[in-house]
Amino acid sequence: SYVLTQPPSVSVAPGQTARITCGGDNGGTRNVHWYQQKPGQAPVLVVYDDRGRPSEIPERFSGSNSGNTATLTISWVEAGDEADYYCQVWHSPTDHWVFGGGTKLTVL
Amino acid sequence: QVQLVESGGGVVPPGRSLRLSCAASGFTFSRHGMHWVRQAPGKGLEWVAVISYHGTNTYYGDSVKGRFTISRDNSKNTLYLQMNSLRSEDSALYYCVREMGTESSSYDFWGQGTLVTVSS
Repeated sequence: SYVLTQPPSVSVAPGQTARITCGGDNGGTRNVHWYQQKPGQAPVLVVYDDRGRPSEIPERFSGSNSGNTATLTISWVEAGDEADYYCQVWHSPTDHWVFGGGTKLTVL
Repeated sequence: QVQLVESGGGVVPPGRSLRLSCAASGFTFSRHGMHWVRQAPGKGLEWVAVISYHGTNTYYGDSVKGRFTISRDNSKNTLYLQMNSLRSEDSALYYCVREMGTESSSYDFWGQGTLVTVSS
């Protein structure tokens, strides 16, 4: 089955930039989506299709994809950004939706 | 506004069945693929199943295939998940999720979830 790999944790000081990566096996990922989940809450879409951003999401959140690795970048990190972040893709050969294992972002 | 409200969760012994429902409102239900996603306590997100907007196509995660059935009633704006032969590892918060649509396979709206506990 298709696997997405994320670092378990990322730590960053307020005001700095956080980068969370998502790597797919077999060498590539496309149209990666990112979700933010705060404790006790349902996930929220923050980036779709590699770099799209829902209108309600601050511009501080951005996405990129080199083909091998997708990256969620959070600029000017705030305490309120502390959450778990998950990447996701639709794996077309199997018609399965796949999540990465999640990354806990800690704001120091 | 878009609302997805799950119900039907509870405590059930291993081997038994449970049926979850998700009432949708605030959008044209019949135009969106719908999914179930689950999250075990303290764990990550796991995709469970998807049903196409018209209900014709369904796909399942490997861990539930053959035991769970996703369905929908577009006349009632309701999504269902029939769960049979439940196991302890099926214990989780089950989310009803809307797929954005033809423009993206992402999930733009989530319900608050219904908790399923499989225990004797």
